[in-house]
Amino acid sequence: DGGITQSPKYLFRKEGQNVTLSCEQNLNHDAMYWYRQDPGQGLRLIYYSQIVNDFQKGDIAEGYSVSREKKESFPLTVTSAQKNPTAFYLCASSIAGPPSEQYFGPGTRLTVT
Amino acid sequence: KQEVTQIPAALSVPEGENLVLNCSFTDSAIYNLQWFRQDPGKGLTSLLLIQSSQREQTSGRLNASLDKSSGRSTLYIAASQPGDSATYLCAVTDGNNRLAFGKGNQVVVIP
Repeated sequence: DGGITQSPKYLFRKEGQNVTLSCEQNLNHDAMYWYRQDPGQGLRLIYYSQIVNDFQKGDIAEGYSVSREKKESFPLTVTSAQKNPTAFYLCASSIAGPPSEQYFGPGTRLTVT
Repeated sequence: KQEVTQIPAALSVPEGENLVLNCSFTDSAIYNLQWFRQDPGKGLTSLLLIQSSQREQTSGRLNASLDKSSGRSTLYIAASQPGDSATYLCAVTDGNNRLAFGKGNQVVVIP
């Protein structure tokens, strides 16, 4: 079964702690993306990667970091510098090259108290 | 910066009626436009993708049109069913495959 997996589905952390969200895909896609969704808001792009060992900041990268050491994996770390980290985080992937359809994972809901 | 607006933000319709959801965008230099469905607490499911050179796409009861020059797209859902209740998101793609999303149309189909 091809697709994108995100784990865990729910994550709870204390303020001041870093936390890493997992995203794995077996679609053989080169490009991967992280979005954040807040109630009543559209999705906003955090980071994206078009190829292994390369990634670019999106619109709201401050307080987040990523790595892309393997084609199938694109973990997102929410650092203590992120002022309002509680949100729903969605990972997506697509083929590289001309703009193409993006496929989304089921999401991780992060709650920081 | 690309701005995507979806109107109305929320609507309720009786079962069997046709649904019309509107999406507008400010920068017509897009590569494609995607319509997604999102159920509460879930990820996004892609419904239709329209390339910038296309005027419309159809899949079953769904039809999406694109007027790139005027910055508008419309999603039509024929003969709505209670299972169509969800939030529908419109997103446009730039040359780097970055998506800009609207805030969504929250739809309730009343049995």
